[in-house]
Amino acid sequence: DAEITQSPRHKITETGRQVTLACHQTWNHNNMFWYRQDLGHGLRLIHYSYGVQDTNKGEVSDGYSVSRSNTEDLPLTLESAASSQTSVYFCASSESNIAGTDTQYFGPGTRLTVL
Amino acid sequence: TQLLEQSPQFLSIQEGENLTVYCNSSSVFSSLQWYRQEPGEGPVLLVTVVTGGEVKKLKRLTFQFGDARKDSSLHITAAQPGDTGLYLCAGDSGNTGKLIFGQGTTLQVKP
Repeated sequence: DAEITQSPRHKITETGRQVTLACHQTWNHNNMFWYRQDLGHGLRLIHYSYGVQDTNKGEVSDGYSVSRSNTEDLPLTLESAASSQTSVYFCASSESNIAGTDTQYFGPGTRLTVL
Repeated sequence: TQLLEQSPQFLSIQEGENLTVYCNSSSVFSSLQWYRQEPGEGPVLLVTVVTGGEVKKLKRLTFQFGDARKDSSLHITAAQPGDTGLYLCAGDSGNTGKLIFGQGTTLQVKP
């Protein structure tokens, strides 16, 4: 069965360190998204990609970067982790239906703590 | 900046009661989705509405998209403990495939 996985599931790091969160999907979806979820804010879009070599900034992209070298993976990098980036991070994917009616399939999330 | 406001943010009710969750915006959306999320998991799609005034039913859940496509509601009839979770509305404003999420409504149904 197709799936979307995230690793690690839990990560503790220190302020200033570079951290990379992995996201891998076997749906063969063109669209991939990274969100962060904080209490009272729902899900906020960090970066997204419509296909290989395409990346775009979301509403809370400062301090984060992504790259898309193949269809399956969209790793999220925190260049220099800050305590404000402590959050739960979700990766999602969807087909390339730009009509906005596609289902987004979410991974199980990565809980990141920055000390 | 487009926003989706959900209300209430928290709801604790007894099994068998009815409830309605609201999702409102000042912006028009081309489509609106409702997701449900359980602790430790990612959100899962419940429904997508695309036409103003559209009503969709999923067992005891009824979803409505406002005529002007700026708001939506989720009504649960005879809530059960299995309905407990976080309910999120999400809208796509420009057929981009990119979603804006509301803050979520945490529902607790007590037996």
